[in-house]
Amino acid sequence: AQSVSQHNHHVILSEAASLELGCNYSYGGTVNLFWYVQYPGQHLQLLLKYFSGDPLVKGIKGFEAEFIKSKFSFNLRKPSVQWSDTAEYFCAVNPQGTGRRALTFGSGTRLQVQP
Amino acid sequence: EAQVTQNPRYLITVTGKKLTVTCSQNMNHEYMSWYRQDPGLGLRQIYYSMNVEVTDKGDVPEGYKVSRKEKRNFPLILESPSPNQTSLYFCASSPGQWDPEAFFGQGTRLTVV
Repeated sequence: AQSVSQHNHHVILSEAASLELGCNYSYGGTVNLFWYVQYPGQHLQLLLKYFSGDPLVKGIKGFEAEFIKSKFSFNLRKPSVQWSDTAEYFCAVNPQGTGRRALTFGSGTRLQVQP
Repeated sequence: EAQVTQNPRYLITVTGKKLTVTCSQNMNHEYMSWYRQDPGLGLRQIYYSMNVEVTDKGDVPEGYKVSRKEKRNFPLILESPSPNQTSLYFCASSPGQWDPEAFFGQGTRLTVV
């Protein structure tokens, strides 16, 4: 079964700092990859997704992610964070071609942006 | 407004007392699913439904049941709740069977004592 690792559990940044959140998955085949954000007390929202094509994916709110197949990674980046980016971020994968529909989520990274 | 609606938002119940958490979406989405969220574990899928009368187990289905009699509704049933089912539950939907979960409900915080 596939698994997803988010090694940074809690990240604290100052406003305007650059952000990179790590996501690694374990699965030998082709995968679909996603990043979700959960603002305090709210439900999850889809930030961006990768199915195929250009490995650099742009999402909402200025976020982007890069798929590096050789490293089994899909790191999330933002050049300059704002206080409003304080939230929990989840990486998720779904293997292609298995007939299995479940998304496997990482354990999440809590981002705290200090003004 | 496009949304996924869960009820109730908060529920405290006792072990063994059957309960149902409702989920309804107003977007005519084919795909719906249930997840539970626990600290340090992220979200884990309980059940999903590709369409009416089509449901399948996710990663943690034990102790749960679902049904999909209508496209808009996907209730989660706990026949005999136990304390280890204390969790935050999310319902989600997406337009197509293979689209990622695009819309999540507000969550149901369940406590089983």
